[in-house]
Amino acid sequence: SQTIHQWPATLVQPVGSPLSLECTVEGTSNPNLYWYRQAAGRGLQLLFYSVGIGQISSEVPQNLSASRPQDRQFILSSKKLLLSDSGFYLCAWSPLTETQYFGPGTRLLVL
Amino acid sequence: GENVEQHPSTLSVQEGDSAVIKCTYSDSASNYFPWYKQELGKRPQLIIDIRSNVGEKKDQRIAVTLNKTAKHFSLHITETQPEDSAVYFCAASLRGGSQGNLIFGKGTKLSVKP
Repeated sequence: SQTIHQWPATLVQPVGSPLSLECTVEGTSNPNLYWYRQAAGRGLQLLFYSVGIGQISSEVPQNLSASRPQDRQFILSSKKLLLSDSGFYLCAWSPLTETQYFGPGTRLLVL
Repeated sequence: GENVEQHPSTLSVQEGDSAVIKCTYSDSASNYFPWYKQELGKRPQLIIDIRSNVGEKKDQRIAVTLNKTAKHFSLHITETQPEDSAVYFCAASLRGGSQGNLIFGKGTKLSVKP
């Protein structure tokens, strides 16, 4: 069966510091991968999606970037965090145009 | 592009009553409609989905109906229990599209009072 992992689970970072969040999927090949952000009490904002290694599409301009160095690895990064980057970051995978399955999420607090 | 609207934003019911959440979508080409449940502090989890070749689907106390003509779909929860309390998100997708992106509604916070 398929499993999706995210780490770290929680993170507290100062403004201006770099960020790296990692997501990995097991038990499938060539999944579509997604990064979402959810502000407290709010909906799901799609940040990036990827249909293959090295293929990244951005939905919203921001100071975040994403990379997919391996088929089942998706990384979300920032060079300098802003206060507004705080939120719950969710990675999701999809077996090619089917439903999306979410990872456990990373709760990020920028101070 | 697709736009999904979800109503109501909050819903409070007594235990044992039914709850209905409605979503409308704008792109008539959308053909896949999942529903997710998100408990406080946890990830959204798929609870039921429906494809456009089906008008209704049931899974125990949960059902989803789809009206393609009117471009709306609804989640029905019967005999609600306190553990049904959560935020529910609907979504729409063009299955078979190049990205398979889901367009989410803004969510409905359901509270079930014992």
